Amino acid sequence: GAGVSQSPSNKVTEKGKDVELRCDPISGHTALYWYRQSLGQGLEFLIYFQGNSAPDKSGLPSDRFSAERTGGSVSTLTIQRTQQEDSAVYLCASSLVASGAYQETQYFGPGTRLLVL
Amino acid sequence: ELKVEQNPLFLSMQEGKNYTIYCNYSTTSDRLYWYRQDPGKSLESLFVLLSNGAVKQEGRLMASLDTKARLSTLHITAAVHDLSATYFCAVDSYGGNKLVFGAGTILRVKS
Repeated sequence: GAGVSQSPSNKVTEKGKDVELRCDPISGHTALYWYRQSLGQGLEFLIYFQGNSAPDKSGLPSDRFSAERTGGSVSTLTIQRTQQEDSAVYLCASSLVASGAYQETQYFGPGTRLLVL
Repeated sequence: ELKVEQNPLFLSMQEGKNYTIYCNYSTTSDRLYWYRQDPGKSLESLFVLLSNGAVKQEGRLMASLDTKARLSTLHITAAVHDLSATYFCAVDSYGGNKLVFGAGTILRVKS
């Protein structure tokens, strides 16, 4: 079946511009995650959505970052007034969520490579 | 705060040799994951380890978990070139909604 898809695959933008990154999770997966991978910081958690619950935004690095998930499926990560330090690969993942606090394996998309000039 | 440390960070090995990658984590965790990443690609799930003493094997890779020592190992047997990649361990803290990743181990298998 189809995996997690992300678009665009690459994005080059100028400092100060806004960007939107899109994620389509695996069909039926109720949990969706955004991570960022950069040379200096490694893989960092950004935000987590689960069903209709309030998202866990604890990993967002600043208020320039926001994300939404519409209809429990597609998610958009928005970065406003981009800075050069925002350059990274943004990875989306999804998973089924078992009952209780436990989670299933997270399956990752191909990522969006963002370069801020 | 949960911290995950991997070592070594870089491993160059000859084909046919054995080696082990180590993953230590700082607080109690329920699950430990191993992922593989090829250059320019995304993360591929290799193993999920759920309990103390868990051992899983797939081909030339074997992963184990010791929750008391807060240690997981990824053992490579008779390495082949196709195993060249970056390997990450990640820990899912109890009740948490995120994975905390190690820095990754870059593995290069030389012919």
